[in-house]
Amino acid sequence: TQLLEQSPQFLSIQEGENLTVYCNSSSVFSSLQWYRQEPGEGPVLLVTVVTGGEVKKLKRLTFQFGDARKDSSLHITAAQPGDTGLYLCAGGISGNTPLVFGKGTRLSVIA
Amino acid sequence: EAQVTQNPRYLITVTGKKLTVTCSQNMNHEYMSWYRQDPGLGLRQIYYSMNVEVTDKGDVPEGYKVSRKEKRNFPLILESPSPNQTSLYFCASRIGRGWSTEAFFGQGTRLTVV
Repeated sequence: TQLLEQSPQFLSIQEGENLTVYCNSSSVFSSLQWYRQEPGEGPVLLVTVVTGGEVKKLKRLTFQFGDARKDSSLHITAAQPGDTGLYLCAGGISGNTPLVFGKGTRLSVIA
Repeated sequence: EAQVTQNPRYLITVTGKKLTVTCSQNMNHEYMSWYRQDPGLGLRQIYYSMNVEVTDKGDVPEGYKVSRKEKRNFPLILESPSPNQTSLYFCASRIGRGWSTEAFFGQGTRLTVV
């Protein structure tokens, strides 16, 4: 059973378009993180959200943690080719359980 | 520069030939872990370590061993590799066990077992 479901799996858009990717679970998470992974590299942290309803912005990226702390979304405004990559959400339920990752959303932004 | 270093980056080996993938971090992090990444399956944790001499199984530990004799190093050992262990492996470290802390990943080791 996948604890964190990400959608869509694949997304191909034109430069300048907006997009949203989702990370959903039936479990409550103490915190959720979003990572971006580029080809040939390890994932790199973009943001951590810890409070239900929290919204964080990172330039053109907006992250939201659901009120019930079971889901999160990543919205990109005016996507650019440099946004291309694999976006992973990851969450921890409690201190005694391993961090779990979603399978990722592979984004391709075409110039 | 703060980093997690894995070696080798690429490895092709034959079934049954023991191998070790090294991982070293220079951030004095307590928590280290190993993941494998496979198409359609995402990142899955193999083993993790909360401190020196403390290791525990993750989701897919079968066929792997680890050791944590020093804080900075966390090698992954495949005693008898099999083709189903062909994968992309990542080592990661974080300052503590708290899940709100940042995980720093190595650049990955692409392993092929023939």
